Amino acid sequence: DAGVIQSPRHEVTEMGQEVTLRCKPISGHDYLFWYRQTMMRGLELLIYFNNNVPIDDSGMPEDRFSAKMPNASFSTLKIQPSEPRDSAVYFCASSKDLRGEKLFFGSGTQLSVL
Amino acid sequence: KQEVTQIPAALSVPEGENLVLNCSFTDSAIYNLQWFRQDPGKGLTSLLLIQSSQREQTSGRLNASLDKSSGRSTLYIAASQPGDSATYLCAVRPLGAQKLVFGQGTRLTINP
Repeated sequence: DAGVIQSPRHEVTEMGQEVTLRCKPISGHDYLFWYRQTMMRGLELLIYFNNNVPIDDSGMPEDRFSAKMPNASFSTLKIQPSEPRDSAVYFCASSKDLRGEKLFFGSGTQLSVL
Repeated sequence: KQEVTQIPAALSVPEGENLVLNCSFTDSAIYNLQWFRQDPGKGLTSLLLIQSSQREQTSGRLNASLDKSSGRSTLYIAASQPGDSATYLCAVRPLGAQKLVFGQGTRLTINP
């Protein structure tokens, strides 16, 4: 398996623009997580899905953030409109289950909002 | 609320030394604990996962221990190499929760 695949690797955009981050989880994994990492706050869980259904979105900072998982092999995280404080590395991760299985991370998307 | 702490934030040691990274957590009610490695500009890679019923896990030169009652875990790296340089994070999954709680990590540098 190729692992968790994220695109793009880098995104530079201007404040106010819409940003869409993409993720393909490992086949057969039932859980998908979106994280954000900054120097100040470390790793923050934004939202996670189980079998394509959003379970907990309490970490989504504002209504400007939304996430979807239309099928088992694809998820998106959208920011609209983007702001400079959204600049961070966004990671997608997947896992078979939550009790005994490791969490596998993608390489991340480095987002810079100017 | 579960909190995970890793001290020190950074560590630098000469190549060949054995070393220990520390992780502490405030609530012993956990499913499991994972140690991750993160290289600059990369995602996290899970190194070892210890279930709450286990005391340790080993993979190659790495050994992770878990003392749930005292809220502590250690990652032991034997015969360190420059390629071990990275940030190491620990994370716990609290009982009754489905989210991992991460520490801030220890940035390890192995000097040739």
